[in-house]
Amino acid sequence: SQQGEEDPQALSIQEGENATMNCSYKTSINNLQWYRQNSGRGLVHLILIRSNEREKHSGRLRVTLDTSKKSSSLLITASRAADTASYFCATDRGGGSNYKLTFGKGTLLTVNP
Amino acid sequence: DAGITQSPRHKVTETGTPVTLRCHQTENHRYMYWYRQDPGHGLRLIHYSYGVKDTDKGEVSDGYSVSRSKTEDFLLTLESATSSQTSVYFCAIRATDTQYFGPGTRLTVL
Repeated sequence: SQQGEEDPQALSIQEGENATMNCSYKTSINNLQWYRQNSGRGLVHLILIRSNEREKHSGRLRVTLDTSKKSSSLLITASRAADTASYFCATDRGGGSNYKLTFGKGTLLTVNP
Repeated sequence: DAGITQSPRHKVTETGTPVTLRCHQTENHRYMYWYRQDPGHGLRLIHYSYGVKDTDKGEVSDGYSVSRSKTEDFLLTLESATSSQTSVYFCAIRATDTQYFGPGTRLTVL
């Protein structure tokens, strides 16, 4: 079963706008990660937030984590056409689970020029 | 890409035939994973390895087996391919708390 569930399933915005994607999960985690996948390519790691962190930034990316609500959000600011991709959240329950990641089904982001 | 290659990149095969996919890494990472990606399902873990000859099942392991006889290679075998195993298969390694993915193998079972 999927641990993470992204919302929305698809998002279409104009270049320069901000894009927000949400992820909910079911069990306790060690960390939560976001990945991007361009069409026909492998996944690329974007950012990791640990269970004791609430917010993290990397360039135009901002991730928040609310462990009490078992949810996370990914904000991409000032979006560009090159940000068009699918975005996945993945939860890691730590060494006891051999660092297996459980992925959500993804959000397809389309940024229109 | 953390030195991960997958072969073949594309394969078409017939139902009932065995198929082996190869994942090769160049950086001696301990953990390796095989996923399949299907529309509407995201990525699902098939099998993983936590060392040479140490493997375990993931979420969707039925019909698949794996082997890891040396650190750099992790093989995924479809013992008797079925049409439901038509998918894109990704290999990944774990490094510094994250996973790095190979380019994928697109497998079609007719």
